[in-house]
Order: sequence, then C-alpha cells, then structure tokens
Amino acid sequence: QQPVQSPQAVILREGEDAVINCSSSKALYSVHWYRQKHGEAPVFLMILLKGGEQKGHEKISASFNEKKQQSSLYLTASQLSYSGTYFCGTEAGANNLFFGTGTRLTVIP
Amino acid sequence: KAGVTQTPRYLIKTRGQQVTLSCSPISGHRSVSWYQQTPGQGLQFLFEYFSETQRNKGNFPGRFSGRQFSNSRSEMNVSTLELGDSALYLCASSWDGAQATNEKLFFGSGTQLSVL
Repeated sequence: QQPVQSPQAVILREGEDAVINCSSSKALYSVHWYRQKHGEAPVFLMILLKGGEQKGHEKISASFNEKKQQSSLYLTASQLSYSGTYFCGTEAGANNLFFGTGTRLTVIP
Repeated sequence: KAGVTQTPRYLIKTRGQQVTLSCSPISGHRSVSWYQQTPGQGLQFLFEYFSETQRNKGNFPGRFSGRQFSNSRSEMNVSTLELGDSALYLCASSWDGAQATNEKLFFGSGTQLSVL
C-alpha cells in the first residue's frame, strides 16, 4: 500500500523548478505532503482531497488526479530553505496514512 | 501549545532485549500514529490508536505492540529486538486521525533506536 515516489533524489540550483511525483496502486481519498529537514520531524505542507484540486503553499503547489491515483508536488523558484526530504502520504479509505519512501531535494546556491 | 513529545530521544539496546518508547500528543489530540523510518524504506506505518483503542495496524510482526492511555499518551513496545529494528521511530498526533481525511499530522522528533 506504500505509494511510489519519483525521483528518489534531485539537486537544484536556487531559482530552479522541480516536480515530485507520487503514485498509488489503490484508489485514493486524499494525498498528504510533508517535508522533513535533516534531523527534524516531518512538517505538514498540504492535503489534497478527491476532486483534482490544486493547492498552494508559498511557491509550492500540488495537484491530485484521483483517476490516475497520482499526485505531483511543484516547487517553483526554489530556495535554499526548500532542501529536505519530501514525503507523500496516501489514504485509501482505511483511516490510516501510508507514506512513500521520500524524495531528497537539495538546493544549492 | 506544546508539540508532540517523544522520549527518550536516543536509545541503545542489544539483540533480544525489549524496549518501550513514549509519545505525548498535542493537548486535545486523540489519535496517535506510530511510524518506523529507515533510510531505504521511508516512513512505514506501524499502528494508530484512538481513544485507547488500536484502530489501524500496519504490516509489522507481533513483536511490535502499543497502547494508549486515557490521557491520549501512547507507548510503543518492541520485544526480542533484532538488528533490523534499528530505526527512527516517529509518532504523530491529530485530533481525529486520518479518518477525517482533512486531518494533518503533527510529528514528534522521534526516538532513534540502535540495536547492537
């Protein structure tokens, strides 16, 4: 039930854009996105519910395509503070959240 | 408002021993979930407790167990430790858990368990 994330790692220069993908083999009710900085707890970014809506958080936005059981996280004009590991969490109606293996994002000057 | 508190922060045990980890959720939160984090596997769901009842369980052996008290504090126990149990154990709290579908999780900083 663990969603699959891609890419596993990405290195960006400040100001560049990135896309992180998350896909599931099961029908989804919602997709959650979290960011974890090294040595810290994961921190909530956003939740997307069924309906294909797109949400935003500063220059970070995401989309959710429930027909394809996929979500994508878009990071535009990346900043050094965006560095960390991004996790998507998928909820397939079982009242619990399964997270992917994470995407390590490194932003360099 | 205090965040999610996990104790201890670090723990070193030897194979065969057992260990108990503690998690105090944010005041008012009734759902506590536990996750195992390892470099290759990401966040693996262990179980979720709500109002002192285990509501959901991941795919871990019976050596992993937990409980929740009336004040919503939760403990996780691992018996007969194996080398592969070395990991960061995170707990997360929310008011009603993922059941509400729009509930976000608040994570603690975790307990780093090393099994020698």
